[in-house]
Amino acid sequence: DGGITQSPKYLFRKEGQNVTLSCEQNLNHDAMYWYRQDPGQGLRLIYYSQIVNDFQKGDIAEGYSVSREKKESFPLTVTSAQKNPTAFYLCASSMGADLLTRTDTQYFGPGTRLTVL
Amino acid sequence: GENVEQHPSTLSVQEGDSAVIKCTYSDSASNYFPWYKQELGKRPQLIIDIRSNVGEKKDQRIAVTLNKTAKHFSLHITETQPEDSAVYFCAAANQAGTALIFGKGTTLSVSS
Repeated sequence: DGGITQSPKYLFRKEGQNVTLSCEQNLNHDAMYWYRQDPGQGLRLIYYSQIVNDFQKGDIAEGYSVSREKKESFPLTVTSAQKNPTAFYLCASSMGADLLTRTDTQYFGPGTRLTVL
Repeated sequence: GENVEQHPSTLSVQEGDSAVIKCTYSDSASNYFPWYKQELGKRPQLIIDIRSNVGEKKDQRIAVTLNKTAKHFSLHITETQPEDSAVYFCAAANQAGTALIFGKGTTLSVSS
């Protein structure tokens, strides 16, 4: 887990502003993920990336965008189109992109708590 | 798509008792089922996982059982301690095996 970092820990945004959350890993993992956590809702998948320069939408991608220009970095942009962005955002990574056949699993970063003022 | 249901949403036990959390999943192709523990304000931490080639796995006081026919799996914590108090999440890999779908979590409270 120590190999995945997220910044900042707390982030405040005014309505109508875009904001970018950072996620970096030094584990040499191929796959990276973004989840949103709300009270009583568990973790919901926003986007995931199996390899550099490729990513797929998760269950709640609307209002978010990502990029994967480097293996170790997977930033998430919360756009003004996201109607209710206040939440705890968790980044995760795994060694491979195929959880069904590999022996590894997902490891999480410490999270960023975003509050819209 | 894959859906994971988790019950109960809250669970209170006395120290030393056992705790059981149950999850069901919808996609019969799912083959990987991890459990995460999340303490307040912290990241989820993997505590145990199971793949479909086994029916049960144990690690000290924690065990997970899997029934693929019924599409459900359970977390068992024995001899609970106050430090076991946390939110526990179950998950199942999606059909492609490329991401995890999580249950909504169970808040476990262990009172001494």
